[in-house]
Amino acid sequence: GENVEQHPSTLSVQEGDSAVIKCTYSDSASNYFPWYKQELGKGPQLIIDIRSNVGEKKDQRIAVTLNKTAKHFSLHITETQPEDSAVYFCAASNFGNEKLTFGTGTRLTIIP
Amino acid sequence: DAGITQSPRYKITETGRQVTLMCHQTWSHSYMFWYRQDLGHGLRLIYYSAAADITDKGEVPDGYVVSRSKTENFPLTLESATRSQTSVYFCATSLGRSTDTQYFGPGTRLTVL
Repeated sequence: GENVEQHPSTLSVQEGDSAVIKCTYSDSASNYFPWYKQELGKGPQLIIDIRSNVGEKKDQRIAVTLNKTAKHFSLHITETQPEDSAVYFCAASNFGNEKLTFGTGTRLTIIP
Repeated sequence: DAGITQSPRYKITETGRQVTLMCHQTWSHSYMFWYRQDLGHGLRLIYYSAAADITDKGEVPDGYVVSRSKTENFPLTLESATRSQTSVYFCATSLGRSTDTQYFGPGTRLTVL
């Protein structure tokens, strides 16, 4: 089955700086890679996803990059703000699968 | 529009007791999932359901039972709770398979003494 590793487990950045979270996956058949954000006391919420036919996707201050050859993908947050403080999860799957495999999460703290 | 709700939000029980966590959705999504969240392990899938009366095991199903007699409800039962089942449990729904967005409930924090 799929195995997703996520690094770092914790990350602190100064407000306004960029944050990068990295994930690797094991199953070369995986072709769908979402990122979820979990705020304190709430359930995770999808913030961006990428499919294997593209190498990069952006949505305002958030971008995700995918390297299928190396089997890794990354979340980039630019111009970080206090409201970006949360736990972020990467995940992987393929279109024929019923399940997502999640990484272990990264706790991002934005320092004012 | 309530979306997805979980009850109770907090539960304390004792080892050996049976506990049922409830999940209810108002969207008529086909898929429903139960995850547990533990520090260092992220989100691990316990069971999922593709439709009413169709359920399947996830990564960590031992000690748990599910049922889905109606599309909108997906209860999770711990038949004989153990301390290792102390966790935060999340229910999620999606319209279709894994490449559709999963919508998570607010979670249930369960403590087994």
